[in-house]
Formats: sequence, structure tokens, C-alpha cells
Amino acid sequence: AQSVTQLDSQVPVFEEAPVELRCNYSSSVSVYLFWYVQYPNQGLQLLLKYLSGSTLVKGINGFEAEFNKSQTSFHLRKPSVHISDTAEYFCAVRSSGTYKYIFGTGTRLKVLA
Amino acid sequence: EAGVVQSPRYKIIEKKQPVAFWCNPISGHNTLYWYLQNLGQGPELLIRYENEEAVDDSQLPKDRFSAERLKGVDSTLKIQPAELGDSAVYLCASSLGQNTGELFFGEGSRLTVL
Repeated sequence: AQSVTQLDSQVPVFEEAPVELRCNYSSSVSVYLFWYVQYPNQGLQLLLKYLSGSTLVKGINGFEAEFNKSQTSFHLRKPSVHISDTAEYFCAVRSSGTYKYIFGTGTRLKVLA
Repeated sequence: EAGVVQSPRYKIIEKKQPVAFWCNPISGHNTLYWYLQNLGQGPELLIRYENEEAVDDSQLPKDRFSAERLKGVDSTLKIQPAELGDSAVYLCASSLGQNTGELFFGEGSRLTVL
């Protein structure tokens, strides 16, 4: 069975500092990986996705993530955060050949001035 | 292009009352999902449709929840009767159904049961 673990429930960081949001997954088959962002009172928006190929994936708003198969991780990073990045971030996994997405419990990123 | 549209955005009802949520997916998206999102949690699948067929409803509490997607386009999720524990956000999402497709979410319907 698939599962997703987001190790940090909350991450406070000062504006213009770098940030890494951690995501680990478990699956017995090959997977597709996603990061979504949710702003208050809104639905989830796709930040980036890993399907195959290069393990470094670049997304919107300056975010990137690296797929590490040996460590079963897909950590999200941004070199310099803005106040507007304050939101909830969800990692999700989908096993290839299925349409079932499993979401993590989310990490609340709070950017401080 | 219009995104996934959900209504109502907010609903407050008393326990034991019925409630319904509506979702119109992105045009051409044959796969539609209903998710439940509790406060501080990630979305959890309730039901997935391929066109008008419910292909995964294993997590839908069928004693009080029902859903339909009669013409394979828009969908309705109903709760009858609502319980206090049903207070949550109900998210609808759609996708093209391709193997590499991502989910596109609506803004959600926030339910408060008093």
C-alpha cells in the first residue's frame, strides 16, 4: 500500500531565507509524485510533478523538488521565500497504472517578515 | 478556460439535516473525484468517477453519503442525515484520466454541522 509522510507540520522561516519541506513515500511499484499548494479558503494548485526523467523538477513560483528513489523522498525547496509563499503544502503520490492519489497531512509554511 | 466549479462555497446546517454539493469539472475531463478534507489534514478520497461510472467508492460511507454523475459531466455529493463529524471541506477534482495527468481542484465546499 502507498503512503506519504510529511515530517514537518509547520515550518516558520524568515523572508528571503531558503526553505525545504520534506516528503517521504512508500510504494512497492513505480510512482508519480506531486506537490500542491493550498492558500486559505482555496482549493489545491499544482506546484510541480515528477513523472520520469530528470530527478530535479522545477515548478511554478520558483519552487523545485528532487526525486530520490533510494531514499524514497521528494523534498520541496525554494532558495528565497516571500511573504506570499505562506500557505499549506501537500505532497502526493500516485502509483503508475492506478488513478489513486494519496496525500500527505500537509506542511504549513509561514514566512515571517 | 474555466476551472473546476463547486457550489455552495459555504454551508451551515443543523445535524440530521440533508445537504448536497455540486461540482462541474473542467470541460473534457472524464475523471472526477470527490475528496474530504478535515481541518489540518490532507484530502482523502471519497469516490472516483470515470465518465458516469463510480470506479472507486470504497471510502464512501454509504449509509449516509451518496453521489451521482448521471451524464458523465457534473456531479452531486449528498449527505443525509448530516452528523457533527461531517463538518469539513468537500473538494472536487478532475483530470483527463491520462496516466500522467494531475488533478485540478475546485475551491471546495465548507460544511459546518451544528
